Amino acid sequence: QVQLQQWGAGLLNPSETLSLTCAVYGGSLKGYYWSWIRQPPGKGLEWIGEVHESGGTNYSPSLKSRLIMSVDSSQNQFSLKVTSVTAADTAVYYCVRNRGSDWKQRFFDNWGQGILVTVSS
Amino acid sequence: DIQMTQSPSTLSASVGDRVTITCRASQNTGNLLAWYQQKPGKVPNLLIYRTSTLESGVPSRFSGSGSGTEFTLTISSLQADDFATYYCQQYSSYSTFGGGTKVEIK
Repeated sequence: QVQLQQWGAGLLNPSETLSLTCAVYGGSLKGYYWSWIRQPPGKGLEWIGEVHESGGTNYSPSLKSRLIMSVDSSQNQFSLKVTSVTAADTAVYYCVRNRGSDWKQRFFDNWGQGILVTVSS
Repeated sequence: DIQMTQSPSTLSASVGDRVTITCRASQNTGNLLAWYQQKPGKVPNLLIYRTSTLESGVPSRFSGSGSGTEFTLTISSLQADDFATYYCQQYSSYSTFGGGTKVEIK
């Protein structure tokens, strides 16, 4: 069973860069897209974007200008950076596995534990 | 962006009730729609994908239907373990989630 374990800074000042990493255990990055999804406290889910094991990315249009996603195949990890954060970026961030590498498989069957990232001065 | 609207936002029901949640898309999403269950403090759990395909291990009391812009999730006989928040997700164009439906005890 694939397990995703994520880590990163939980408290940021406005204008800083959010940086999270997710390690994949019990499976390979190969053959999948890997997504990031966030959930503001008490609110719904928002898909941020996805990265393929080849390095290809697709980003939410609303966040595209501030996102950088990458993979490190040697470490079986993938990462998210969100630049110029504001209080609106406060949320639980999840790393997630897409069902497959096809856009028709962009639903999510394995989730990391989630990290609360708070943006506050 | 495709917007997803769920209704109702909150639903009060009793064990044994038949429950239906609706999800409407602002554009045609074909059959590329999934449903998730989320309990407080937990990660979402995939229930259904491609509108009506039950994920492995999900009880058969859950079912999905619809196409195009209107979809439903039905729980045929609500169990105590089903009180949770449910989200729909379209994946026809990138991905967007509905706002959620909280199923609470009546």
